[in-house]
Amino acid sequence: SQQGEEDPQALSIQEGENATMNCSYKTSINNLQWYRQNSGRGLVHLILIRSNEREKHSGRLRVTLDTSKKSSSLLITASRAADTASYFCATDAPEKGGGNKLTFGTGTQLKVEL
Amino acid sequence: NAGVTQTPKFRVLKTGQSMTLLCAQDMNHEYMYWYRQDPGMGLRLIHYSVGEGTTAKGEVPDGYNVSRLKKQNFLLGLESAAPSQTSVYFCASSYDRFFREKLFFGSGTQLSVL
Repeated sequence: SQQGEEDPQALSIQEGENATMNCSYKTSINNLQWYRQNSGRGLVHLILIRSNEREKHSGRLRVTLDTSKKSSSLLITASRAADTASYFCATDAPEKGGGNKLTFGTGTQLKVEL
Repeated sequence: NAGVTQTPKFRVLKTGQSMTLLCAQDMNHEYMYWYRQDPGMGLRLIHYSVGEGTTAKGEVPDGYNVSRLKKQNFLLGLESAAPSQTSVYFCASSYDRFFREKLFFGSGTQLSVL
């Protein structure tokens, strides 16, 4: 399995509900980022959380990071139809031999229905 | 403010043909990246550049070449296209190195190799 894996793979909710998606990873990280991708478009950065941070907020988004469990969660509150998209986590981790590597997960497909 | 612009948006090639994908960014970023996105695989790094005149291999470099003759442009070339290179290609750029800051993505190039 990959360094960053999102769960669930797909999520369908009603407008106004909260959406929670999770990301698990295997090795120690420097930071973890969340991106959104609308159908047929490029990825858009949402939030970056560093390894020494536990929680960050941005508007209706709340990201938590638990380095002891090697997991992160993205919560979207009061979801809207416009939130329908795929959401990816990306982990920045040191590589053997030096340097860093950014690894993307396979994403969670969120559908928000009216 | 254009950000990261990729051309073309769509392309169909026959096996063995060559092509070049162009990426341009207007944010004066030093770091530029080429990714491919395949179903169920997440984004995988093909090549990257840490500045004008530099290139380096990523996770899946075979069959691709790149050039960074100007700071704002990063070209991805396929010398002899193969069906396995059918994918969606994304260019990205960033201000900081080692993925300590967010990436800005282009809107992608959908490539089909027949």
